[in-house]
Amino acid sequence: TQLLEQSPQFLSIQEGENLTVYCNSSSVFSSLQWYRQEPGEGPVLLVTVVTGGEVKKLKRLTFQFGDARKDSSLHITAAQPGDTGLYLCAGAGQAGTALIFGKGTTLSVSS
Amino acid sequence: KAGVTQTPRYLIKTRGQQVTLSCSPISGHRSVSWYQQTPGQGLQFLFEYFSETQRNKGNFPGRFSGRQFSNSRSEMNVSTLELGDSALYLCASSWRDRTFNEQFFGPGTRLTVL
Repeated sequence: TQLLEQSPQFLSIQEGENLTVYCNSSSVFSSLQWYRQEPGEGPVLLVTVVTGGEVKKLKRLTFQFGDARKDSSLHITAAQPGDTGLYLCAGAGQAGTALIFGKGTTLSVSS
Repeated sequence: KAGVTQTPRYLIKTRGQQVTLSCSPISGHRSVSWYQQTPGQGLQFLFEYFSETQRNKGNFPGRFSGRQFSNSRSEMNVSTLELGDSALYLCASSWRDRTFNEQFFGPGTRLTVL
């Protein structure tokens, strides 16, 4: 059974701080996706990483896929209150199978 | 382009009752997946439908069922509700075979079982 473990589970920081969220597995994934979910809404796709070692940037967010395609990280620079939410990673395995979601990291950024 | 819509947004039921939730995917998406989200278990996959056929199924009891219609709209049914079924039920659609199965989620249906 493929599992994705996210850490930390909760993160509470001040505006302007940097942070990193991790998504780890013992399994290899063909791609990995990151979503953000705000209260009362469904998750929204932020990025998909496909190639081992790939780095993608989305404004102050930097996503990296591990070389072995078993792990990923999300780094936020100078966090803002608008970054508050639940961050979920999801791995895609063999073609035609369902995505595997991590349990998420709840981020709270206070001003 | 309109997003994924789910109805109803909120629902209160009592134990033993049954419930049907509805999902309308983004136009052109043929895959619809359902998830259950709770604080303790996170986002758990229920099942996926593609072109009216169940393509994948998660580890949930048979009380949870679904179907997809020819216009890709989908319904999910839960029979004999239990207190533990209280959760946010999310529907997501995707192109499935054109992308990495990237999910476009609806706002969810908040089900409370009393």
